[in-house]
Amino acid sequence: GAVVSQHPSRVICKSGTSVKIECRSLDFQATTMFWYRQFPKQSLMLMATSNEGSKATYEQGVEKDKFLINHASLTLSTLTVTSAHPEDSSFYICSARPTTQGYEAFFGQGTRLTVV
Amino acid sequence: AQSVTQLDSHVSVSEGTPVLLRCNYSSSYSPSLFWYVQHPNKGLQLLLKYTSAATLVKGINGFEAEFKKSETSFHLTKPSAHMSDAAEYFCVVRINTGGFKTIFGAGTRLFVKA
Repeated sequence: GAVVSQHPSRVICKSGTSVKIECRSLDFQATTMFWYRQFPKQSLMLMATSNEGSKATYEQGVEKDKFLINHASLTLSTLTVTSAHPEDSSFYICSARPTTQGYEAFFGQGTRLTVV
Repeated sequence: AQSVTQLDSHVSVSEGTPVLLRCNYSSSYSPSLFWYVQHPNKGLQLLLKYTSAATLVKGINGFEAEFKKSETSFHLTKPSAHMSDAAEYFCVVRINTGGFKTIFGAGTRLFVKA
């Protein structure tokens, strides 16, 4: 089946630094990828939709200058949390929509970010 | 305000009996509705979606859901539960308010007893 891999699975960074999370579709091409965030004991929140070769579309209330998204190829999207603060600590999950299908279907395992 | 409410945090059924996972939404916009499943230690998987076509939507693994606008509901059902159905299920609403917003429900944990 289709596999989406996120890296790293866990990361701890210092406040004020930036951290990059990678989302790769391993055995299919994904024109569109999605980035989600999950706060403790809360449900997932879609942050942005990333389309290969173009700018990401951010959901209302998400700071695009803080959460930089790059989708440079059909198998890789990256999320960079810039100038991280403790309140950015969260679980970040990506999903990838196969180019040959009409709806998002495959999720990564997620990345636990802790900002200290 | 837009919201999604999954009415049960936990549901327990016996194998072979029907499954009903309830979801109600609140939105002044026409929504798209989705159900996702998350098995332990795995990512989310799309079960089915409604986007203004047929109100009864069939998904994978025998699941289906019916969009009832008058009741603002999108309950997920399956005629006969299987042990492999034990997982966390999320109801999701997506609306266009001049910008898209996607709202996940809190999730319902389904337990299936032998």
